[in-house]
Amino acid sequence: DAGVIQSPRHEVTEMGQEVTLRCKPISGHNSLFWYRQTMMRGLELLIYFNNNVPIDDSGMPEDRFSAKMPNASFSTLKIQPSEPRDSAVYFCASSFRLAGSHEQFFGPGTRLTVL
Amino acid sequence: DAKTTQPNSMESNEEEPVHLPCNHSTISGTDYIHWYRQLPSQGPEYVIHGLTSNVNNRMASLAIAEDRKSSTLILHRATLRDAAVYYCIWYSYDKVIFGPGTSLSVIP
Repeated sequence: DAGVIQSPRHEVTEMGQEVTLRCKPISGHNSLFWYRQTMMRGLELLIYFNNNVPIDDSGMPEDRFSAKMPNASFSTLKIQPSEPRDSAVYFCASSFRLAGSHEQFFGPGTRLTVL
Repeated sequence: DAKTTQPNSMESNEEEPVHLPCNHSTISGTDYIHWYRQLPSQGPEYVIHGLTSNVNNRMASLAIAEDRKSSTLILHRATLRDAAVYYCIWYSYDKVIFGPGTSLSVIP
């Protein structure tokens, strides 16, 4: 298996533009997580899906952020409009959730820079 | 309010054992405790997890307190490649509770 695939790996955009980050989880996994990491705030969970349904989105910063998981093999995280403070590394992770036990596999991350 | 605490940083000599503590005082009886580590410029990677009893794998050992309010990740012989940020994480059904992470430095 290729592992969790994220695209793009790097994104540079200007303030106000729409940004879409993509994630393909590992086949057979039933949970998907989006994280954001910055030097100031560390690693933060944004949203968590189980069986394509959002379970916990309390970490989504504000209405400018939205995430979807239309099927088990694809998810997107969208920022509209983007702001410089959104600059961060965004990680996607997937796991097979079994009785409360997860082993998450992380993608390589997308480094987002908003100018 | 669910909370997990870890020391901000720790230091170890190479070849020495390292004990990384985590406090998770609000954990419930069915929530698993997981540990991940993040090497520089990489995404986090799974290390170990457990529920009640101590666990061992090829990477580390996990010691869980009897009351489950704390746990300790044990690296038996620290190597330079173990220098990373170590995160303690536990899961409720609809919540993922993160510790702030401990930055481990390994001195040659």
